[in-house]
Amino acid sequence: GENVEQHPSTLSVQEGDSAVIKCTYSDSASNYFPWYKQELGKRPQLIIDIRSNVGEKKDQRIAVTLNKTAKHFSLHITETQPEDSAVYFCAANWYNNNDMRFGAGTRLTVKP
Amino acid sequence: DVKVTQSSRYLVKRTGEKVFLECVQDMDHENMFWYRQDPGLGLRLIYFSYDVKMKEKGDIPEGYSVSREKKERFSLILESASTNQTSMYLCASRGIQETQYFGPGTRLLVL
Repeated sequence: GENVEQHPSTLSVQEGDSAVIKCTYSDSASNYFPWYKQELGKRPQLIIDIRSNVGEKKDQRIAVTLNKTAKHFSLHITETQPEDSAVYFCAANWYNNNDMRFGAGTRLTVKP
Repeated sequence: DVKVTQSSRYLVKRTGEKVFLECVQDMDHENMFWYRQDPGLGLRLIYFSYDVKMKEKGDIPEGYSVSREKKERFSLILESASTNQTSMYLCASRGIQETQYFGPGTRLLVL
């Protein structure tokens, strides 16, 4: 089955700096890679996702890159703001498989 | 707008009690999931269901059972609660598209 590893477990940046979170996966059949943001006391919410036929996807200050050969994908947040502080989870899955695997999470703190 | 709700936000139970956690989704999703979330361990899948009355074990099914009698409702059952089941429990649902939608979570404390 799929195994997803996520690094770092904690990340602290100054407001305005960039933040990068990296994940690796083990199953080469995985073709869908979502990222979830979980604010304190709230449910995880999808912020961006990427499919294996795409190498990069951007949505305003957030981008995700995928390297299928190396089996890793990354979340990039530019011009970080205090409201970006949260726990971020990556996940990997293959189409219509019910067994989506999550990384252990990264706690991002953005200092004003 | 997808809505996933859970019956309780906070729950305190005693060791040995039977505990029911309920999850309801309003988007006619086929797939429903129960996870537990513990610090440093991320989201671990307990059970999932891909149809009414169907269930599959996840990574950590021991000590848990599930029930899906109706499409919109997926229940997690702790037959005899133990202190190591103190955790945050998250329900999720997913339709044909891959996006999973999570419920608000139930924080369970077993004394």
